[in-house]
Amino acid sequence: KAGVTQTPRYLIKTRGQQVTLSCSPISGHRSVSWYQQTPGQGLQFLFEYFSETQRNKGNFPGRFSGRQFSNSRSEMNVSTLELGDSALYLCASSLGGRSDGLDTQYFGPGTRLTVL
Amino acid sequence: AQSVTQLDSQVPVFEEAPVELRCNYSSSVSVYLFWYVQYPNQGLQLLLKYLSGSTLVKGINGFEAEFNKSQTSFHLRKPSVHISDTAEYFCAASSGGSYIPTFGRGTSLIVHP
Repeated sequence: KAGVTQTPRYLIKTRGQQVTLSCSPISGHRSVSWYQQTPGQGLQFLFEYFSETQRNKGNFPGRFSGRQFSNSRSEMNVSTLELGDSALYLCASSLGGRSDGLDTQYFGPGTRLTVL
Repeated sequence: AQSVTQLDSQVPVFEEAPVELRCNYSSSVSVYLFWYVQYPNQGLQLLLKYLSGSTLVKGINGFEAEFNKSQTSFHLRKPSVHISDTAEYFCAASSGGSYIPTFGRGTSLIVHP
C-alpha cells in the first residue's frame, strides 16, 4: 500500500505570494492533518480534515487554509506569504474512524517551503 | 492550553546502552500522550501513544513509555539502543477529548558505536 505523498517536495516563493501544497493520503484513509515545523516554533498542528470538513483546528491566522476533496486528497493554502512561513509542512493521514481524531496517523515526507 | 516540556535537547548514548528521554506535560483532567520519531529528511512516525488504561505503553522498535499522572510525566525508554535509533524524538500531548496536539521541542538521540 502506498504511503502518504506530498507534492511538491520543495518550493521557493517570495513574500506576498500565495502557495498551495497537496497531500494524498493512504488509500482508505479519510482524515488528513497538516503540521508546520520550523526551527523557531517547532512542530505545530494546523488543522485536520475528515470527510471534506474541517474537524479540528490549531492556532494559526486565517492566511492558512485548507480543504479536502471527495477522494480524501487535501490541499493547504497559505496566502500573502511572510518570511516566517518558511517551514517544513507535514501532512498525515489516518482512518478517521474516531470522532476525537485519535486514530494513528501516518506522515508524509513533507514539503519544504522557502519564502524569500 | 496544554504545554509539553522535553527536558533534554540532546542525549548522547553508546550503542547497546539503555536510554530514557524525558517528557513532562501540564496537568489536565484527561490527557492523551504520544511519542514520535523523525529520521533525517523524513516525516514523523508514531512510536506509541497513551489514551487510557495501562500506564505502561509498549511501542514499536522496542520502545516503551510510562504514564505517571502524579508527576505529569511520560518518559520514553529503551533497554538497549542501536545506531539506527539515532533520530529526533518528539513528545506530544492533547486534551479535551479531541486531537489538537501540542509538541515538545524535541530530543536528539545520538547513538555512538
